[in-house]
Amino acid sequence: DAGVIQSPRHEVTEMGQEVTLRCKPISGHNSLFWYRQTMMRGLELLIYFNNNVPIDDSGMPEDRFSAKMPNASFSTLKIQPSEPRDSAVYFCASSLQGRNTEAFFGQGTRLTVV
Amino acid sequence: QKEVEQDPGPLSVPEGAIVSLNCTYSNSAFQYFMWYRQYSRKGPELLMYTYSSGNKEDGRFTAQVDKSSKYISLFIRDSQPSDSATYLCAMSVSDRGSTLGRLYFGRGTQLTVWP
Repeated sequence: DAGVIQSPRHEVTEMGQEVTLRCKPISGHNSLFWYRQTMMRGLELLIYFNNNVPIDDSGMPEDRFSAKMPNASFSTLKIQPSEPRDSAVYFCASSLQGRNTEAFFGQGTRLTVV
Repeated sequence: QKEVEQDPGPLSVPEGAIVSLNCTYSNSAFQYFMWYRQYSRKGPELLMYTYSSGNKEDGRFTAQVDKSSKYISLFIRDSQPSDSATYLCAMSVSDRGSTLGRLYFGRGTQLTVWP
């Protein structure tokens, strides 16, 4: 298995632009997590899906952030409009039955908003 | 105060040294304790996890949990240059993804093992 696949690996965009991050979980995994990592705040959970349904989105910072999981093999995290403080590395992770002790992380998308 | 506190280091040791990494936490409901290793520009990968208190050993790695002190440790014996990475602790109330299963991460400790 190729593991969790995220795209793009790097994204540089101007403030105010829409940004879409993509994730393909490991085949057969039914739980998906989006995290954000910054030097100041470390790794923080943004949203958790189980069987394509958002279960916990309390970590989404504000309405500018939205996430979807239209099917079991694809998820997106969208920021509109983007701001410089959104600059971070965004990780997607997946697991079976939501077991956080067995979550596999993707390689992340490094987002820079200028 | 953050739920989980971890000294970011950096920590630099010679090859063969014993490394001790630590985290403290404030939520007494935490039951699952994890250690992740993150190489530069990569995603975190799970090293070990323990449930409740006690020790767990896996090769050169030993994880310890002291719930009475709200303190967890990861020991690396005979450290190698390939162990150079950032080590993050994480913990949760439940091992199932849900509000209770939310993972709370430390900020990570950057470790360098020099030959």
